[in-house]
Amino acid sequence: GENVEQHPSTLSVQEGDSAVIKCTYSDSASNYFPWYKQELGKGPQLIIDIRSNVGEKKDQRIAVTLNKTAKHFSLHITETQPEDSAVYFCAASKGSNYQLIWGAGTKLIIKP
Amino acid sequence: NAGVTQTPKFRVLKTGQSMTLLCAQDMNHEYMYWYRQDPGMGLRLIHYSVGEGTTAKGEVPDGYNVSRLKKQNFLLGLESAAPSQTSVYFCASMGRGPTGELFFGEGSRLTVL
Repeated sequence: GENVEQHPSTLSVQEGDSAVIKCTYSDSASNYFPWYKQELGKGPQLIIDIRSNVGEKKDQRIAVTLNKTAKHFSLHITETQPEDSAVYFCAASKGSNYQLIWGAGTKLIIKP
Repeated sequence: NAGVTQTPKFRVLKTGQSMTLLCAQDMNHEYMYWYRQDPGMGLRLIHYSVGEGTTAKGEVPDGYNVSRLKKQNFLLGLESAAPSQTSVYFCASMGRGPTGELFFGEGSRLTVL
């Protein structure tokens, strides 16, 4: 079945620098790739998603890139701010939300 | 607008006890999901529902049962709790499928002694 690996498990960056989180997936039929942000004591919240017919998507300081050949996708956060500190999860699905397979999460720490 | 509400937020059970977690959404969403979150393992789908009166098994359904008698509510039951069911449980809903934004509740932390 599908497997999603997420790296790194913890990422510490200086405020204002960029952060990159990478995920790889195993099922080439996967076609939907969301990223969720989870703040302490809260449920995950969608921040951006991408579908397999698109190579890159941007939303202000956040961008996601997808390489279908290599079966990996990445989250890029530029000009990091203290409020970006959270746990970020990637996921992959080949058609339905109930088929979403989640990465283990990355704890992002923004140093002042 | 409350979104997705889970009750209770915390619960401690003894092995063998039963309990029900309630999820309520006020967004008129068709799809609802129950996940468990364990350290270092991301989210794993327990059961889901694609509409009122329907339920289906997810990735880790053993030891759990669900019901969706009303569109706005999705109940998760543990008939005989085991220590392996100690986890944080999240309910989520989605308006239209098959893929799209999941709206999560704030979680229910369950400890089984």
